[in-house]
Amino acid sequence: GAVVSQHPSRVICKSGTSVKIECRSLDFQATTMFWYRQFPKQSLMLMATSNEGSKATYEQGVEKDKFLINHASLTLSTLTVTSAHPEDSSFYICSARLAGTGDEQFFGPGTRLTVL
Amino acid sequence: GQQLNQSPQSMFIQEGEDVSMNCTSSSIFNTWLWYKQDPGEGPVLLIALYKAGELTSNGRLTAQFGITRKDSFLNISASIPSDVGIYFCAGHPRAYGKLTFGQGTILTVHP
Repeated sequence: GAVVSQHPSRVICKSGTSVKIECRSLDFQATTMFWYRQFPKQSLMLMATSNEGSKATYEQGVEKDKFLINHASLTLSTLTVTSAHPEDSSFYICSARLAGTGDEQFFGPGTRLTVL
Repeated sequence: GQQLNQSPQSMFIQEGEDVSMNCTSSSIFNTWLWYKQDPGEGPVLLIALYKAGELTSNGRLTAQFGITRKDSFLNISASIPSDVGIYFCAGHPRAYGKLTFGQGTILTVHP
């Protein structure tokens, strides 16, 4: 149980295009999902907290117009990187919190974004 | 914000050896979680701790929630090659908050 999927697993795009990443909780409902960014050999950096049916809460320094988050259902959250640039290249990971189990977050497998 | 200091940064050990890593926080934490991340993958939850003094095992892994609520350790006994990866501690000071992550411990196991 508590499986989280992400799609796509990797994407290469041209500078200026937008990329959408999906995060799904496969066998549970997640009222809260989180989006992280990770640079090579570094820890995870929280970008935003996504709550079903409401606006996402962004961490300081994260541009909400650049990283659009939608959490339209209890099993799906999407992150759209708009007008991507090479500096947006990174490993993006989502997680979902399983209701009733406390603070445990279950992570997706991540999406490797490369912007040319 | 909350600070988590994880040590050591990296470890190189022989197969069969025991491993210990720890995390300390600048403030009291309500939850401690330990994750393992393989290259190119998302972190996988190993152990979750919710009570001060709690000692929990998961196979060859043992973790403890420090009595002061400001630290936690993870032990791996009889290491094997598949233990290779990055181990992260994570936690936060209140329930249902956002996680703060340690810097990670890179573990290399030589056969």
